[in-house]
Amino acid sequence: SQTIHQWPATLVQPVGSPLSLECTVEGTSNPNLYWYRQAAGRGLQLLFYSVGIGQISSEVPQNLSASRPQDRQFILSSKKLLLSDSGFYLCAWNLGQMNTEAFFGQGTRLTVV
Amino acid sequence: GENVEQHPSTLSVQEGDSAVIKCTYSDSASNYFPWYKQELGKGPQLIIDIRSNVGEKKDQRIAVTLNKTAKHFSLHITETQPEDSAVYFCAASSNDMRFGAGTRLTVKP
Repeated sequence: SQTIHQWPATLVQPVGSPLSLECTVEGTSNPNLYWYRQAAGRGLQLLFYSVGIGQISSEVPQNLSASRPQDRQFILSSKKLLLSDSGFYLCAWNLGQMNTEAFFGQGTRLTVV
Repeated sequence: GENVEQHPSTLSVQEGDSAVIKCTYSDSASNYFPWYKQELGKGPQLIIDIRSNVGEKKDQRIAVTLNKTAKHFSLHITETQPEDSAVYFCAASSNDMRFGAGTRLTVKP
């Protein structure tokens, strides 16, 4: 069966520090991968999606970046965190066309202080 | 791009009553409409979905209706139970998946 792992579960980082969140998917090949951010009391904002290794589409201009070094690995990064980067970050995957069921990880609660 | 509006943002019902959450979308090319349930501190999980060639779909106490002409779709939960309390998200998808802002449903025992 397929599983998605996302870590860390919680993270407290100072302003200006770098960020690296990792997401891996097991049990499937060539998934579409997504990073979403959920601000407190708000919906899911699509940040990045990837349909293959090295292919990244960015939805929102910001100080975050994403990379897909392997088929089932998706990394969210920042060189210098801002207070406004605080939120709940979710990785997700699906197969084939993007209009199919997406499976989410457990999320990372990031607090920038 | 797609824009999904979801209402209400919060909803409180008595156990046993029905709950209805409504969403509208803007992109007529969207053809897949899932609903996700998110419990506290967890990632969202799919509870039901519908495609544009279907007007209504039901799974036990949960049903979803879709009006493609009006570009709106709704989630109906009947005989609500306290464990239905969660945040519910609608989404619309064609080339990517866009989510509504979420509805916090509270079912009072």
